[in-house]
Amino acid sequence: QLQLQESGPGLVKPSETLSLTCTVSGGSVSSSTYYWAWIRQPPGKGLEWIAIISYTGRTYYDPSLKSRATISVDASKDQFSLKLNSVTAADTAVYYCARRPFHDSTFDYWGQGTLVTVSS
Amino acid sequence: QPVLTQPPSVSAAPGQKVTISCSGSSSNIGGNRVSWYQQLPGTAPKLLIYENDKRPSGIPDRFSGSKSGTSATLGITGLQTGDEADYYCGTWDRSLSAGLFGGGTKLTVL
Repeated sequence: QLQLQESGPGLVKPSETLSLTCTVSGGSVSSSTYYWAWIRQPPGKGLEWIAIISYTGRTYYDPSLKSRATISVDASKDQFSLKLNSVTAADTAVYYCARRPFHDSTFDYWGQGTLVTVSS
Repeated sequence: QPVLTQPPSVSAAPGQKVTISCSGSSSNIGGNRVSWYQQLPGTAPKLLIYENDKRPSGIPDRFSGSKSGTSATLGITGLQTGDEADYYCGTWDRSLSAGLFGGGTKLTVL
C-alpha cells in the first residue's frame, strides 16, 4: 500500500524559506506513470494546488506561486520536496503531498498533511 | 476567488439525496476530466470520483459523478451522518498549465 509522509519545520519566520519533504513508501517516485504533487490548505479555507513534478523533473506550478516555489525529486531516497521562499503569514497552511497519475488530474493518494505556521 | 465555482454549503436529511455542482470554463472542466474529494473534519482529502464518473475501489455506489459541458456534479444518495464533510472538485486548466480545485462545499446532514 502506497504511503506518503510529509516532514519539515512547523514554524517558519516571515521572509524565510519554507522547506518540506515527502517520503514515499510502498512505491517509487521513479515510476514513469505518475506525477508527485504539493497541495496546501490555509486554516479554515479550501485546497490550493501548488505544483507537480515527474521523475524526469518535468514541473508545473500554480502561476501565483511560480516565482517563489521550487519542487524537486530525489529518486535515490524516494522523496520529493517543496521550497517556498519569501514566506508571509498568508503561506500558513496545512501542506499535503500527493500522487497524480500521468493521464489524469486526479490525486489518488495523499499524505496526512503537515501544518506550517509563518510567524516571528 | 477559485476558478471552479461550488456552492459554499448544501444540506439534506438522512436518507435523502443531494447534489453538489462545480462550474468552470472551456479551459478547465470543458476540456478535462473532473475529480471529486471528500474531506472529513481534521483529515486529509480522500478521492471519491475520478475521470468524471468513476469510483475508486471501496467507494460505495451512493456516490456518483457526471459532467456536462463546463460543469460537473457530484451526487450522494442515501445520506448518512457520516457523509458530513467538505467536498471539493478538481481538474486541470490548459490555459494556466496548472491544476485547480473548487472552493469546496460543506455538506450538512440534518
